Amino acid sequence: DTGVSQNPRHKITKRGQNVTFRCDPISEHNRLYWYRQTLGQGPEFLTYFQNEAQLEKSRLLSDRFSAERPKGSFSTLEIQRTEQGDSAMYLCASSTRDSSYEQYFGPGTRLTVT
Amino acid sequence: EDKVVQSPLSLVVHEGDTVTLNCSYEVTNFRSLLWYKQEKKAPTFLFMLTSSGIEKKSGRLSSILDKKELFSILNITATQTGDSAIYLCAYYSNSGYALNFGKGTSLLVTP
Repeated sequence: DTGVSQNPRHKITKRGQNVTFRCDPISEHNRLYWYRQTLGQGPEFLTYFQNEAQLEKSRLLSDRFSAERPKGSFSTLEIQRTEQGDSAMYLCASSTRDSSYEQYFGPGTRLTVT
Repeated sequence: EDKVVQSPLSLVVHEGDTVTLNCSYEVTNFRSLLWYKQEKKAPTFLFMLTSSGIEKKSGRLSSILDKKELFSILNITATQTGDSAIYLCAYYSNSGYALNFGKGTSLLVTP
């Protein structure tokens, strides 16, 4: 399967714990995006990388959230001191420079904070 | 504030029916409007519309943009149970990178 992959697919954690998610984009895609989706809502943009550079961050990305893409390939999203409001599906997407309109989404990581 | 509003929020139809989903938008620096289909997991790209009045078509799905009245419609003809999904419309942020999505229309096609 050469699509976008995300790990883990599900994560249950206790409030206050730190969690880290990983996204592996399609191999030739240099653009990578993180979104968050809650029930009954469309995905909400969190952050965007072009190669290893983080070029845009949403206001939604509080200080507890950090994302990296150290070598311009896979990316990680870390949430520190999780809160119940962080419970959501975290989606990763990637695209090429030439067709950035078509963002290819991964299956998501569902986070439940208890 | 920029936004897209989708209607209806949910819809139930019988197999074989034709459905029309709506997406109205208020977006400064509008570039294009996109439609995605989301089944139980990842959204998948359907169409991108940039020019008014030009229909995009893929099989039983088609979409058109009206830049004067600021809306887009997604039509599905001869619906099948496999069309059951959430249909999302989206626009690009001012930066041109982020997609901003509407809440979606949940479509259920019954046999």
